[in-house]
Amino acid sequence: SQQGEEDPQALSIQEGENATMNCSYKTSINNLQWYRQNSGRGLVHLILIRSNEREKHSGRLRVTLDTSKKSSSLLITASRAADTASYFCATGGTGANNLFFGTGTRLTVIP
Amino acid sequence: GAGVSQSPSNKVTEKGKDVELRCDPISGHTALYWYRQSLGQGLEFLIYFQGNSAPDKSGLPSDRFSAERTGGSVSTLTIQRTQQEDSAVYLCASSPLKGVGSPLHFGNGTRLTVT
Repeated sequence: SQQGEEDPQALSIQEGENATMNCSYKTSINNLQWYRQNSGRGLVHLILIRSNEREKHSGRLRVTLDTSKKSSSLLITASRAADTASYFCATGGTGANNLFFGTGTRLTVIP
Repeated sequence: GAGVSQSPSNKVTEKGKDVELRCDPISGHTALYWYRQSLGQGLEFLIYFQGNSAPDKSGLPSDRFSAERTGGSVSTLTIQRTQQEDSAVYLCASSPLKGVGSPLHFGNGTRLTVT
């Protein structure tokens, strides 16, 4: 399966701390995307990194991609209670018609 | 502007009944996706529409599932003779570009419960 796998499954941190989530995948990709899902809502796109990129930043988010290890990490700096959500990585292969989503990391930020 | 709209937001049905789930994508988005999310799980791809091309139905779990997209806009996912294992949240997403080179915009989903 091309499905990504996030690690850890659940993460609980204090407000102000950094949160790191990892994603591993199995096949060659064109790009990797991270999404966030609040309880009972749809997914919201956070950031997209292409296979020829190694690192990307967006506000308090930092994403790295290591295609040799088939892995990516999402770092959220200076976390806030509002960051509490599930975070999913999704991979798209060349010519693929769909994104393959992992099972997500449930992040809880304690005020 | 308006995002992806799905209706109904919740649907409870009896086993064996048919259900229809609706998705209104963002205007102008040519790509439309249906995913299924079981409790605490990731997303399972169901079907993909791109413009007037034949849809990619490779993710549909059985012939009880079908989907249409009329006029390149609104899409309906139909589940016939529902089973309890069909209970899940059904998510629709749209994208302005072909393939997976751009972010997907998701609706809030339809929570289907089959009793």
